[in-house]
Amino acid sequence: GAGVSQSPRYKVAKRGRDVALRCDSISGHVTLYWYRQTLGQGSEVLTYSQSDAQRDKSGRPSGRFSAERPERSVSTLKIQRTEQGDSAVYLCASSLTAQSSYEQYFGPGTRLTVT
Amino acid sequence: GQQLNQSPQSMFIQEGEDVSMNCTSSSIFNTWLWYKQDPGEGPVLLIALYKAGELTSNGRLTAQFGITRKDSFLNISASIPSDVGIYFCAGHYGGSQGNLIFGKGTKLSVKP
Repeated sequence: GAGVSQSPRYKVAKRGRDVALRCDSISGHVTLYWYRQTLGQGSEVLTYSQSDAQRDKSGRPSGRFSAERPERSVSTLKIQRTEQGDSAVYLCASSLTAQSSYEQYFGPGTRLTVT
Repeated sequence: GQQLNQSPQSMFIQEGEDVSMNCTSSSIFNTWLWYKQDPGEGPVLLIALYKAGELTSNGRLTAQFGITRKDSFLNISASIPSDVGIYFCAGHYGGSQGNLIFGKGTKLSVKP
């Protein structure tokens, strides 16, 4: 069956602009996660949603990151007023239930470059 | 945020060699996981460990959940060229803390 997909795979944004990254999770999966992956910091969670159509506000790193779930299996990560330090690979992951959240399936990532 | 201490950061392998890497944490985890990530792809789950002391194999891969629940190791026996990639350990607290805590990765490359 289809795995987790993300779009776009690559995104270049000018500093100060807002960007939106999309994740299509595995059908039936309840929990969606967004991670940021960089060479220096490794992978760290940005935000996650454990129910339908819920907007999660993350305090990481400065409140400019938020996620929306317009559909059960779709999540959109929004980054406001991008900064050069936001350049990273953004990974989406999903798990079947909240109880099985240790078993996460990852998408291929979106590589964001802020110029 | 918190991260795990994963070592080594990188290593070169020659086909047929055994490889070992490990992760340590200051926190206790309920679950330890090992992922492999190829260029341009997301992490793929290799092995999940659920109990302290558990030793689990997946083909040529063997991983153990440390007794203290603060460490784990991954061994790859008789390495082959397709083992090249980045290996990540990850810990999970369980309960309502849903996200994974990742190590910074061990990059396996082929010896020149």
